[in-house]
Amino acid sequence: ELKVEQNPLFLSMQEGKNYTIYCNYSTTSDRLYWYRQDPGKSLESLFVLLSNGAVKQEGRLMASLDTKARLSTLHITAAVHDLSATYFCAVETGGFKTIFGAGTRLFVKA
Amino acid sequence: DAGVIQSPRHEVTEMGQEVTLRCKPISGHDYLFWYRQTMMRGLELLIYFNNNVPIDDSGMPEDRFSAKMPNASFSTLKIQPSEPRDSAVYFCASTLGLSGNTIYFGEGSWLTVV
Repeated sequence: ELKVEQNPLFLSMQEGKNYTIYCNYSTTSDRLYWYRQDPGKSLESLFVLLSNGAVKQEGRLMASLDTKARLSTLHITAAVHDLSATYFCAVETGGFKTIFGAGTRLFVKA
Repeated sequence: DAGVIQSPRHEVTEMGQEVTLRCKPISGHDYLFWYRQTMMRGLELLIYFNNNVPIDDSGMPEDRFSAKMPNASFSTLKIQPSEPRDSAVYFCASTLGLSGNTIYFGEGSWLTVV
């Protein structure tokens, strides 16, 4: 059974700082997603990573995938308050069955 | 595109009542997912469909839960009878099963069972 583990689960950081969220998964997968969720809202897709070594960037967020290590990272550069949200990684196990991690609640302090 | 549409957005019901949640996926999408989100258990995949056929329902918690997809533009998740521990946000999501496509989520149905 696929396990998806994120860490940290909670992250409080100062504006302007850099940090990385980690997503480990337990079985082979070729597709990984990152989502953002604001309180009381739905999930917004950030990135879809398909292959080993894939790297995608959007603004202050950059995601990467290492399928051999079964690891994805979401790197935050020069954080701003607007990035405060919960970030989820999700892993497809095959046949489009997609399992979510527990989420990382990020709070960026001004 | 209107996105994934769910109804009702909020529902408060009494224990023992039947609850039906509805979902209209994005037109042309061939996969539909039902997820449940709670503070304790996070986002759980309940069931998903491909071309209206249930592929994996191993996440459905009990026989009280059932889901149908009678056509490509409509799905229901039913809980009968409902219990307080079913209180959660239920998300419907859809995607087109091609490489590189993301999964799009609806706004969710907030269910409270009292």
